[in-house]
Amino acid sequence: KNEVEQSPQNLTAQEGEFITINCSYSVGISALHWLQQHPGGGIVSLFMLSSGKKKHGRLIATINIQEKHSSLHITASHPRDSAVYICAVSPNFGNEKLTFGTGTRLTIIP
Amino acid sequence: SQTIHQWPATLVQPVGSPLSLECTVEGTSNPNLYWYRQAAGRGLQLLFYSVGIGQISSEVPQNLSASRPQDRQFILSSKKLLLSDSGFYLCAWSTFSGNTIYFGEGSWLTVV
Repeated sequence: KNEVEQSPQNLTAQEGEFITINCSYSVGISALHWLQQHPGGGIVSLFMLSSGKKKHGRLIATINIQEKHSSLHITASHPRDSAVYICAVSPNFGNEKLTFGTGTRLTIIP
Repeated sequence: SQTIHQWPATLVQPVGSPLSLECTVEGTSNPNLYWYRQAAGRGLQLLFYSVGIGQISSEVPQNLSASRPQDRQFILSSKKLLLSDSGFYLCAWSTFSGNTIYFGEGSWLTVV
């Protein structure tokens, strides 16, 4: 069993829909990252969370430390949101030796 | 502002040939540096981690090595490439405070 599990693996939705991607982890962590990988391969960090909730534009990330679960939400989804979204956890604050989930491939249809 | 550069972006190398991927960071000092690999159809995996010049930690046994000759330079190398070394290689950096992690553009390696 992977230490970081994401669901769903693939998600196709219509433009405008509300999107939720889930991440569960089984190890102790100091922080959880949500990353976005575009088809060319480049990766961008969207959020780093250690508790609670963060919002940036149409993206919202939440984490429940007790339940070892995090969610990434996208409101008013757009085709440009199509990408692979990756959840990753780091064991020690200040040391980003990340353990990654296998990613969720999101496709938004116009 | 801080930036990270990684090169080459793509390369095709024959089995048994050497490899050198280079990564440099600008706009910060004493960064933590990382090399990750994404094999086809698999998730990212940490290969090497460095907290300072000459300090390298290897996370998985493999055919690769890493060096940090300068504070903001991180090099991934191999003396003899294997087919299984094919994949997407990412350099990344973070500060000790660990506010976030920044990734390079990535290097696509195909070993033929």
